Amino acid sequence: AQKITQTQPGMFVQEKEAVTLDCTYDTSDQSYGLFWYKQPSSGEMIFLIYQGSYDEQNATEGRYSLNFQKARKSANLVISASQLGDSAMYFCAMRRGPSGGYQKVTFGTGTKLQVIP
Amino acid sequence: NAGVTQTPKFQVLKTGQSMTLQCAQDMNHEYMSWYRQDPGMGLRLIHYSVGAGITDQGEVPNGYNVSRSTTEDFPLRLLSAAPSQTSVYFCASNSLTGSSNYGYTFGSGTRLTVV
Repeated sequence: AQKITQTQPGMFVQEKEAVTLDCTYDTSDQSYGLFWYKQPSSGEMIFLIYQGSYDEQNATEGRYSLNFQKARKSANLVISASQLGDSAMYFCAMRRGPSGGYQKVTFGTGTKLQVIP
Repeated sequence: NAGVTQTPKFQVLKTGQSMTLQCAQDMNHEYMSWYRQDPGMGLRLIHYSVGAGITDQGEVPNGYNVSRSTTEDFPLRLLSAAPSQTSVYFCASNSLTGSSNYGYTFGSGTRLTVV
């Protein structure tokens, strides 16, 4: 069975500093996808970034980057130059199997990030 | 705006009542799913569908029923509400034929309280 582990229930970061949110996963699949979502206090779920298991380079989207270490089965989210608006809950998720076709996605329990002015 | 529309946003039910949470998407996505979010447990998959007429169970299906008669709609039915079903419910969709690099599109959620 696949599993996503986020060991940091809550974190604080100073505004303008970088922060790393940890995510480890467990799967026996060769092909899979890893996602990060943001959930602000308003409650909506916002897709941030995606990494495929065969992607050789780490994914980046603006201030977000995914530090993918396949051998360690980790997919940490790095937020550079934190902003007050980054305060939110962050979820790591994994899609089992290749893109397209049936998709079953498992979510971690989340990390609550608070950015301090 | 294109996206996933969930109704209602809030609902209070009495134990034993039934109701349907509505979910509609206008992006022609084949894949639709329902998740529940509980504190400290992340999102757990209830039911999902890969196309009209095709549904399957997720991780926590008991007490819920779904159907997919059209590509656009994927309602979630609570058959006999229980306090354990108090949660925030999210509907999500994605395309199966295009790139799935863009993650799910989520609805805004339904906060359900069963008393």
